[in-house]
Amino acid sequence: AQRVTQPEKLLSVFKGAPVELKCNYSYSGSPELFWYVQYSRQRLQLLLRHISRESIKGFTADLNKGETSFHLKKPFAQEEDSAMYYCALRGPSNTGKLIFGQGTTLQVKP
Amino acid sequence: GAGVSQSPRYKVTKRGQDVALRCDPISGHVSLYWYRQALGQGPEFLTYFNYEAQQDKSGLPNDRFSAERPEGSISTLTIQRTEQRDSAMYRCASSLRGGKTDTQYFGPGTRLTVL
Repeated sequence: AQRVTQPEKLLSVFKGAPVELKCNYSYSGSPELFWYVQYSRQRLQLLLRHISRESIKGFTADLNKGETSFHLKKPFAQEEDSAMYYCALRGPSNTGKLIFGQGTTLQVKP
Repeated sequence: GAGVSQSPRYKVTKRGQDVALRCDPISGHVSLYWYRQALGQGPEFLTYFNYEAQQDKSGLPNDRFSAERPEGSISTLTIQRTEQRDSAMYRCASSLRGGKTDTQYFGPGTRLTVL
């Protein structure tokens, strides 16, 4: 069965510290992985997707098929990065439905 | 342009009542998704429309839940005889073509509370 696991409910770091939000997945086949973010009082929005291999707001994520992981990283956290982060997997069907992890709250302290 | 909109934003109802949640996707978006998010959990897929056709309803938890998109635009998710366990955030998303390549754009969600 397809599954996404985010082991940390809360990650608290100081401004300027490195950040790594963990995501592991279970999927038989070639997965498509995403990170979505929800800032306070805003809607859920796409942060980045692995096939784009891009860096958004200083965040990067590398798909590691051997470890079935897609961890989100940023070298220097900013206070405005404080938000809820969801890792998601595109399911195997042609509908494009997403399978989400339970989310990690990132708290960046001044 | 306008993003995905949902109404109402908040709905409080009594157990046993029916509720209808509305989603207005981005204009021109072919695909529409409904997700449900319980407190402390990530969104869970409910159903998917391609134009007006409901092509996947595998996530609907039981037959009290139904959805429609009669003209391929606005969609309504209906919950009959609501129960307390139906309390959650209901999220709608749309994408231009659907399938494996498109970005899903989410609405603000409807917070449903069943007393």
